[in-house]
Amino acid sequence: EMQFVESGGDLVQPGGSLRLSCAASGFTFSNYWMTWVRQAPGKGLEWVANIGASEMFYLDSVKGRFTISRDNVKNSLYLQMNNLRVEDTAVYYCARTRPGLTMDGWGKGTTVIVSS
Amino acid sequence: QSALTQPPSASGSPGQAVTISCTGTSGDVGGYDYVSWYQHHPGKAPKLLIYEVIKRPSGVPDRFSGSKSGNTASLTVSGLQAEDEADYYCAAYAGSNSFLFFGGGTKLTVL
Repeated sequence: EMQFVESGGDLVQPGGSLRLSCAASGFTFSNYWMTWVRQAPGKGLEWVANIGASEMFYLDSVKGRFTISRDNVKNSLYLQMNNLRVEDTAVYYCARTRPGLTMDGWGKGTTVIVSS
Repeated sequence: QSALTQPPSASGSPGQAVTISCTGTSGDVGGYDYVSWYQHHPGKAPKLLIYEVIKRPSGVPDRFSGSKSGNTASLTVSGLQAEDEADYYCAAYAGSNSFLFFGGGTKLTVL
């Protein structure tokens, strides 16, 4: 059974940085694309970024500030978030991703609050 | 990047059927057969219900079905049960420039 555990969420001031992690298990991690999705308070889901073997893609509003990466030895996905803005406040989920960006396994999320 | 359009709420009585729509454009919903639906109980991990418009992952009851006509996709939940009360999101692949749009979500209430 595939499992995902996100961590690293915290309260941070605007302009600050955070690194989110997602520990995956129960499947061959290196064989799959992975995605970060977020949900701001009272809002819907929003795709943030995804990563394949070496390709990375980002939501326009996070380009240049967020970096997605992976460690296939540690079966882990990361999201380095710099120059954080109030509007980045959200629960961040990691998800295993299949063709067409179908996300067939998700974690429970980690909460990021950007506030002064 | 724009969200797909879903009704904010839907409801039905136990045993009834409810259909939730998801409207996009020819660049996303209408352009690819990569529409998926997710069920989200607040505080829990979202769950994939439907992928590639009509396909169901193993373990998802056949009470859940998907369809698409033009730029609008739909999720039908038949034989409503209390545990179906949740938020439902559609998502559509939008090509290599925009990647993925989600709908705004529909809160399904079982009366």
